[in-house]
Amino acid sequence: AQSVTQLDSQVPVFEEAPVELRCNYSSSVSVYLFWYVQYPNQGLQLLLKYLSGSTLVKGINGFEAEFNKSQTSFHLRKPSVHISDTAEYFCAVSGGTGKLIFGQGTTLQVKP
Amino acid sequence: ETGVTQTPRHLVMGMTNKKSLKCEQHLGHNAMYWYKQSAKKPLELMFVYNFKEQTENNSVPSRFSPECPNSSHLFLHLHTLQPEDSALYLCASSQAPGKGIEQYFGPGTRLTVT
Repeated sequence: AQSVTQLDSQVPVFEEAPVELRCNYSSSVSVYLFWYVQYPNQGLQLLLKYLSGSTLVKGINGFEAEFNKSQTSFHLRKPSVHISDTAEYFCAVSGGTGKLIFGQGTTLQVKP
Repeated sequence: ETGVTQTPRHLVMGMTNKKSLKCEQHLGHNAMYWYKQSAKKPLELMFVYNFKEQTENNSVPSRFSPECPNSSHLFLHLHTLQPEDSALYLCASSQAPGKGIEQYFGPGTRLTVT
C-alpha cells in the first residue's frame, strides 16, 4: 500500500525568506509524485509533478521539488516566498492503481 | 465556463433532507472523481467514474449516491446524512484514471449537516 506523510502541519515564514515543505512517501512500486496547492475557498491546483527523468522538477509560481528515491522524499522548495503563497499545500503519490493518495496537508503562513 | 465547476458552493441541510451536489467539467475529460475533504485529514477518494461507468467505490456509505449521466457531468445525491458528513466535497476530472495523470479540481461544495 502507498502512503504519504507531510511532516509539518504548519510552516510560518516571513516574506522573502526561503521555505521547504517536507513530504515522505512509502510505496512498493514505482510512483509518480505531485504537489498541489489550495488557496482559501478554492479547489486544488497542480504546482508540479514528477513522472520520470530529472529528479529536480520546476513548477509554477517559482516552486520546485526534488525527488529522492533513496530517502523516499519529495520536498517542495521556494527560494523567496510572497504573501500570496499563503495556502494549504498537499503532496500526493500515484502508484500501481493510478489512484492519488494525498498527505494531510501543510499550511504555509507567510508573514509580512 | 472553464475548467471544473461545482454547485452549490455552500449547502446547509438537516439530517432528514435530500439534496444533490453537481459537478461539470469543460475540459473534454473522460474520468471524474468525488473526494471528501475534512479538517486535518487527507483528502479521501469516494468514487471514480471512467466513461460514465463507476470504477471505484471506496466503501462509501449508501447515504451518498453518485450519478454520472455523461462524461461531463457528475452528481452526488445526499440523503439522511450525519453531522460527521460535514466537509468540503471536491469534484475532479482527468483524461483517464491512470498513473501520473493530472487531476483538475473544482472549487468544492462546503456541506454542513445540522
